[in-house]
Amino acid sequence: DFVMTQTPLSLSVTPGQPASISCKSSQSLLHTDGKTYLYWYLQKAGQSPQLLIYQVSNRFSGVPDRFSGSGSGTDFTLKISRVEAEDVGVYYCMQSMELPPYSFGQGTKLEIK
Amino acid sequence: QITLMESGPTLVKPTQTLTLTCTFSGFSLSTSGVGVGWIRQPPGKALEWLALIYWDDDKRYSPSLKSRLTITKDTSKNQVVLTMTNMDPVDTATYYCAHSYYDILPFDYWGQGTLVTVSS
Repeated sequence: DFVMTQTPLSLSVTPGQPASISCKSSQSLLHTDGKTYLYWYLQKAGQSPQLLIYQVSNRFSGVPDRFSGSGSGTDFTLKISRVEAEDVGVYYCMQSMELPPYSFGQGTKLEIK
Repeated sequence: QITLMESGPTLVKPTQTLTLTCTFSGFSLSTSGVGVGWIRQPPGKALEWLALIYWDDDKRYSPSLKSRLTITKDTSKNQVVLTMTNMDPVDTATYYCAHSYYDILPFDYWGQGTLVTVSS
């Protein structure tokens, strides 16, 4: 199975400041079709997860452009250019390179200072 | 507008079988590429994928739980049913169903989740 490791597990950010979350996969997520199957989700308190980023760097419908994804192979990063209060929650990365299973990271909790 | 809603028992006893239903609207499970999956989350823990069924009846299961899971669809009712046998207290979790489109957009829309507690 692919193991997804996120760092840090928690971070506290001042509003208006940037934030960055790392996700490392135990194996490359680059498929022979040329696509990389890495996704980012945000779960706000008491809510269901919501898709933020698909295939490394594509923002899902309605996701603000302060969210960006990057990376390749086994190393990926989610960046928030200027954190807002509504960005608080737990962020998960997920791979769908090799199925089954879909593998989630352990989550990174973002708090506001 | 895509919506999904999970329903089922909130409390099951150990060794019993859990049956959850996902009722959805805004899409059809007969449309090419469409799938519905189940993901669970124990209290305070991370997400765990369980199963997924596609429009063509292709089914995928978590290897670690495959022997206990069955996923089916009823296209006419816009429902997907997940059964999990031999429930244990460690299976206590919020169970979510979610829409997928091929492997391009896995779990792009989620239900609100249903908390299932396993206790005698």
